[in-house]
Amino acid sequence: DAKTTQPTSMDCAEGRAANLPCNHSTISGNEYVYWYRQIHSQGPQYIIHGLKNNETNEMASLIITEDRKSSTLILPHATLRDTAVYYCIVRVRPYNTNAGKSTFGDGTTLTVKP
Amino acid sequence: KAGVTQTPRYLIKTRGQQVTLSCSPISGHRSVSWYQQTPGQGLQFLFEYFSETQRNKGNFPGRFSGRQFSNSRSEMNVSTLELGDSALYLCASFPGTGNTDTQYFGPGTRLTVL
Repeated sequence: DAKTTQPTSMDCAEGRAANLPCNHSTISGNEYVYWYRQIHSQGPQYIIHGLKNNETNEMASLIITEDRKSSTLILPHATLRDTAVYYCIVRVRPYNTNAGKSTFGDGTTLTVKP
Repeated sequence: KAGVTQTPRYLIKTRGQQVTLSCSPISGHRSVSWYQQTPGQGLQFLFEYFSETQRNKGNFPGRFSGRQFSNSRSEMNVSTLELGDSALYLCASFPGTGNTDTQYFGPGTRLTVL
């Protein structure tokens, strides 16, 4: 699996957009970018994923650079409940026999402040 | 659809004992993966089962084992418990077929070894 690099911590003011960067410079063509978050020792919660196009859902937007070497997760209007550790990982496509194995880094601790 | 469920949620054991943790995946999901999360090592992949067969294995000693049943439910067992086995054990499932492969995590089992 490709290694991802994320800043250790970030702060964001409540109501503002939170932009969380991730570097995955060794990503290969058959790997997706996934984002999860973990709130205080609960199970990681799926946020969004993408291959090469930008994606948006009810939780967040994902911007992937054209060369796919980095991405940014955007929480458009951060709330106090968005305070969590955010993990960016890369995983192979579903039909690959390694699809069930995810490699997590240390993630980014996002603190949303009032 | 019900999410991934794990039982028990909390467990206290003593060194040398063995423990069995259970995971029920989302209905229709054929892949179940197990992860160990500790403050020092982060989230680490243990193993993955797909259609009752172990498909991937992480770098853990043989004291850690698992199995998957025909209904996709999975158990993991840790024998001869050590203090260092204290951790949050997470289970994740995904369909394993088709083009949808998002892994969803359960709430985890918090194991404390005394």
